[in-house]
Amino acid sequence: DAGVTQSPTHLIKTRGQQVTLRCSPKSGHDTVSWYQQALGQGPQFIFQYYEEEERQRGNFPDRFSGHQFPNYSSELNVNALLLGDSALYLCASSLAGNEQYFGPGTRLTVT
Amino acid sequence: AQRVTQPEKLLSVFKGAPVELKCNYSYSGSPELFWYVQYSRQRLQLLLRHISRESIKGFTADLNKGETSFHLKKPFAQEEDSAMYYCALKNDSWGKLQFGAGTQVVVTP
Repeated sequence: DAGVTQSPTHLIKTRGQQVTLRCSPKSGHDTVSWYQQALGQGPQFIFQYYEEEERQRGNFPDRFSGHQFPNYSSELNVNALLLGDSALYLCASSLAGNEQYFGPGTRLTVT
Repeated sequence: AQRVTQPEKLLSVFKGAPVELKCNYSYSGSPELFWYVQYSRQRLQLLLRHISRESIKGFTADLNKGETSFHLKKPFAQEEDSAMYYCALKNDSWGKLQFGAGTQVVVTP
């Protein structure tokens, strides 16, 4: 089991564009959470998906949206990118509310 | 509002010296507290959680509800302990984590 995987590893976008990040959970996990980690800060919770529904949401604007597929993989979409969206985006998977396993992250740079 | 505070951004210690990373939280209820670690070029991983009351890699952490603290301690630091450490709080059964800003630990020989 490769654990949680994320793609792409790095991404450079221009302000105003849209981006999609992808996450495959650890085998056997059914819940996916997304976090944003700005430089020098701890991860901040964006939202969590379970049974293809957004179950919880952090304090992020609705430019941030997501999706979970029947195979439990997930996507994070960000519209109308701002410079401040530049960050490391982490995906974490878990089984129900148990220990979260993190992926390596996707580094997004908005220019 | 709930909050996790790690007052030290950087902690530099000598090998063999004790190390203590401070974590304070504000939350009205019974949270679960965790320490996560990120070694260089590796992903974020769980180090320990307060409910298990175990020692991992020589680290221990005690939840002090009176002082709302969950400090991480190790009596004798090793070079391989050099990493970024994050304190995190989980306040519901679904697993949403709230992280502190992190403490960079550098252990020098």
